[in-house]
Amino acid sequence: NAGVTQTPKFRILKIGQSMTLQCTQDMNHNYMYWYRQDPGMGLKLIYYSVGAGITDKGEVPNGYNVSRSTTEDFPLRLELAAPSQTSVYFCASSFTNTGELFFGEGSRLTVL
Amino acid sequence: GENVEQHPSTLSVQEGDSAVIKCTYSDSASNYFPWYKQELGKRPQLIIDIRSNVGEKKDQRIAVTLNKTAKHFSLHITETQPEDSAVYFCASGSGNTGKLIFGQGTTLQVKP
Repeated sequence: NAGVTQTPKFRILKIGQSMTLQCTQDMNHNYMYWYRQDPGMGLKLIYYSVGAGITDKGEVPNGYNVSRSTTEDFPLRLELAAPSQTSVYFCASSFTNTGELFFGEGSRLTVL
Repeated sequence: GENVEQHPSTLSVQEGDSAVIKCTYSDSASNYFPWYKQELGKRPQLIIDIRSNVGEKKDQRIAVTLNKTAKHFSLHITETQPEDSAVYFCASGSGNTGKLIFGQGTTLQVKP
């Protein structure tokens, strides 16, 4: 098993550009999450999904969109990138709603 | 909305001493309380968790306690070692929503 795979690992964007962070898992997990991690601020939940076709907002959803068309994939879309979206983004998945989160390696995004 | 407060933000101990990290949560429906360890440049990994029907759980040098009435839970590390140096995150989750909210993190430094 590859676990949770995120791409790209690093990306630099210009203000106003758009991009998609890809996340895929091969563990047949129903639950998937996107978090952002800023220094000293912990992990903030952006969006989450409890299964294919179902998504919901987390703590900081503004400026982001997600989709969950399959169990395996949970891409995160950034529209009109802003400097405030400079962060490290982690995708995670879980088999149950109260089970261990398996994180990807993270994607470091810089918006200039 | 849901909130998890974590203290202290930094903690420095001598090797062999104990370390205690405390968290408070706001959502009365929370019933799952995991702790994650994140080494520098790595992804967070689960080290221990506790559910609302249990008051305490131990795993070798690590223990967690939960006080549902006060909405507090704590991580205790005994006989600390330099390899325990990392950022520790508490989190709270509700089985109803599948949402997992993290605290701000505690940077633990264990000095040899």
